[in-house]
Amino acid sequence: GENVEQHPSTLSVQEGDSAVIKCTYSDSASNYFPWYKQELGKRPQLIIDIRSNVGEKKDQRIAVTLNKTAKHFSLHITETQPEDSAVYFCAANTGTASKLTFGTGTRLQVTL
Amino acid sequence: DTAVSQTPKYLVTQMGNDKSIKCEQNLGHDTMYWYKQDSKKFLKIMFSYNNKELIINETVPNRFSPKSPDKAHLNLHINSLELGDSAVYFCASSHGTSGIGNTQYFGPGTRLTVL
Repeated sequence: GENVEQHPSTLSVQEGDSAVIKCTYSDSASNYFPWYKQELGKRPQLIIDIRSNVGEKKDQRIAVTLNKTAKHFSLHITETQPEDSAVYFCAANTGTASKLTFGTGTRLQVTL
Repeated sequence: DTAVSQTPKYLVTQMGNDKSIKCEQNLGHDTMYWYKQDSKKFLKIMFSYNNKELIINETVPNRFSPKSPDKAHLNLHINSLELGDSAVYFCASSHGTSGIGNTQYFGPGTRLTVL
């Protein structure tokens, strides 16, 4: 089955700096890679996603890149703000039954 | 409000008891899920239903029994609760089962504490 590894597990950056979170996946049939943000005590919420026929996608301060050959994808947050502090999860789908396998999460702390 | 809702939000109970968590979505989605998030924040899928049919059943103890009375509802019943069942349980829903573009929308979670 699919295995998704996520690094780092914790990340501390100063406000205004960039943050990068990396994930690798094992199933070459995976074709959909969403990123979720979970604030403390809240539900995970989709912030951006990318499909396997696209190499990069941007939405304001966040961007995701995908390297299908290397089976890795990354989340980039620029000009970080305190409200970006949260746990971020990457995920990859498996080919059937719409199952998402989640990474282990990255706790991002943006300090003033 | 269009959303995925869960009840109860908190559940505190003794070992050995039986409890249920209810989930409802009014997004018109065909597929619903149960996830378990443990104290280390790992999100693991437990079950998925599509149009009331079970399509994903991970290696979950058979003390856990999901039930989908219709495609807008997915309930989770847990028998003989154990300490290790303490976690936050999230319900989620999505359109279809194709995988790609499968945005899953999560409910607010139910924090289960077994004493």
